[in-house]
Amino acid sequence: KQEVTQIPAALSVPEGENLVLNCSFTDSAIYNLQWFRQDPGKGLTSLLLIQSSQREQTSGRLNASLDKSSGRSTLYIAASQPGDSATYLCAVMNTGFQKLVFGTGTRLLVSP
Amino acid sequence: EPEVTQTPSHQVTQMGQEVILRCVPISNHLYFYWYRQILGQKVEFLVSFYNNEISEKSEIFDDQFSVERPDGSNFTLKIRSTKLEDSAMYFCASSGGNRGSVYGYTFGSGTRLTVV
Repeated sequence: KQEVTQIPAALSVPEGENLVLNCSFTDSAIYNLQWFRQDPGKGLTSLLLIQSSQREQTSGRLNASLDKSSGRSTLYIAASQPGDSATYLCAVMNTGFQKLVFGTGTRLLVSP
Repeated sequence: EPEVTQTPSHQVTQMGQEVILRCVPISNHLYFYWYRQILGQKVEFLVSFYNNEISEKSEIFDDQFSVERPDGSNFTLKIRSTKLEDSAMYFCASSGGNRGSVYGYTFGSGTRLTVV
């Protein structure tokens, strides 16, 4: 059974810092991995999708990497801003299935 | 940018009542999903729907739950007799291809269901 874990659970940084969020998964037979952002009481906004054959994806200040064999992904946020404050969720889709298995999330606070 | 629309945004219902949560997926998407998130917990998969039938469901999705695509645009989740533990945020999602394909999922903003 796929288990997805994210560390740290919470992170507080001053504006301008570069930071890394970590995601690990127990079953490496994944089809893809997706990073989402969730604002309090709101829905999920897709940030980046990495197919299992890819090593990384970039969008603006965000860069996500995937190491399938070790069961890890990282989300790198450059030059953080207060508007980046949210919960970041990692989710994997296993080969042969359609559902996403979500991680526990990292709550990020970027202070001005 | 295309959106997945969910209504209502918040619903309060009495235990034992039936509720229907509504979703309008992105128009050219083929795969539809419901997820839920109990307060403070992980987002959990409920069901996926393709070609007018359930393609995958979780152990949470028991006989109390059903899904339907009544017309060409709406996708609904019905809970027949709500329990207190059904209180959660329910998210609808859609994707353009099989298993999220190249495009991944698009989620709606959710319906907060409160059972009292």
